[in-house]
Amino acid sequence: DTGVSQNPRHKITKRGQNVTFRCDPISEHNRLYWYRQTLGQGPEFLTYFQNEAQLEKSRLLSDRFSAERPKGSFSTLEIQRTEQGDSAMYLCASSPTLGTVPHYEQYFGPGTRLTVT
Amino acid sequence: QKEVEQNSGPLSVPEGAIASLNCTYSDRGSQSFFWYRQYSGKSPELIMSIYSNGDKEDGRFTAQLNKASQYVSLLIRDSQPSDSATYLCAGPFPYSGGSNYKLTFGKGTLLTVNP
Repeated sequence: DTGVSQNPRHKITKRGQNVTFRCDPISEHNRLYWYRQTLGQGPEFLTYFQNEAQLEKSRLLSDRFSAERPKGSFSTLEIQRTEQGDSAMYLCASSPTLGTVPHYEQYFGPGTRLTVT
Repeated sequence: QKEVEQNSGPLSVPEGAIASLNCTYSDRGSQSFFWYRQYSGKSPELIMSIYSNGDKEDGRFTAQLNKASQYVSLLIRDSQPSDSATYLCAGPFPYSGGSNYKLTFGKGTLLTVNP
């Protein structure tokens, strides 16, 4: 069990550019979540995958955001035409398969800190 | 009304004291809660899970869940300077009535343990 990994750890980009982040969940965890955290706030839910299916998207997730999990393993989060308001820590979490206990527990990766200049 | 509310911080305690962190929630149907610790510039780390009414102890940490009062707390005994961090309370709330149990977090409470 090597934990959730995320790449890159830091990303500085200019407004209007596209960025893509990657998340590798804990192996055998079929549930994968993306959250966004800004200074002084708790993480806010963005989207959720069960295996390769994207089952839920937050209203926070504008059309500029897209996420994929093509083979039910790693996931990518892409932000198109970045804006300064997109600057935040992007966190990925995974949780065990439903039916195992405790299946609600989510384990976070180290995060990707995005700065849009 | 926000789904999870944490008492305002920051909280400062001397080394060796008991730190008490509190959280209230709005959904009576919530069955479980989690406490995460987040050091500055790092990601949240799960430190306690509680699934039923009452207390759960793990080392110096005790989580308490009171479903009738919709209240959850975390006690840290014998606080150490290394406990200085932001503590986040989170509950899994069904999203759109589906099977997705996204975590809803409070804003967190910044704890400082003074040597």
